[in-house]
Amino acid sequence: DTAVSQTPKYLVTQMGNDKSIKCEQNLGHDTMYWYKQDSKKFLKIMFSYNNKELIINETVPNRFSPKSPDKAHLNLHINSLELGDSAVYFCASSRPGTVNTEAFFGQGTRLTVV
Amino acid sequence: QQPVQSPQAVILREGEDAVINCSSSKALYSVHWYRQKHGEAPVFLMILLKGGEQKGHEKISASFNEKKQQSSLYLTASQLSYSGTYFCGTPQGGSEKLVFGKGTKLTVNP
Repeated sequence: DTAVSQTPKYLVTQMGNDKSIKCEQNLGHDTMYWYKQDSKKFLKIMFSYNNKELIINETVPNRFSPKSPDKAHLNLHINSLELGDSAVYFCASSRPGTVNTEAFFGQGTRLTVV
Repeated sequence: QQPVQSPQAVILREGEDAVINCSSSKALYSVHWYRQKHGEAPVFLMILLKGGEQKGHEKISASFNEKKQQSSLYLTASQLSYSGTYFCGTPQGGSEKLVFGKGTKLTVNP
């Protein structure tokens, strides 16, 4: 069983479209994250949710909106996609308390905006 | 504050050793190390929680010098499977926000 799963794995879309990426974890973790990895491999945190509540919201355009229907799911919706949104988006989860717990990453969603 | 990793890239022959450094201008509460193979997700290696702590994972070990605000990852007798990009991460201000360095790309050749 995959611990953290994301769908889709690949997403190719045109500028201006709206798209969603889904993430589910079966580890029983309370905390979930979205990271963006650009072409230079820089891993940058975007959002963090703890038990469905938003706790970290980095300087991310308003076009990005996370939604957590329950603590096992964290979806990412992106409006009006731009070329610069092309990247690999990773979902991750951990037990509360990042200081002493490991994060488990999903396999990533490669988003290409054309 | 993003931790700084060095070097940016390392090329080794199988069996050689390497050291990857991670430093911060701010106090480090803990240091996380992850490895990401090409096209895959980052995978956890280890967390160092206290100054002076050392840990090991296979033939990969790490140290944490709280005073110097740095951590080092030691790869001994490298194997082909060690190839990948290594990231160090530090929680900002002890919060849930894990900030990663820019990564060190390690290539191990036969």
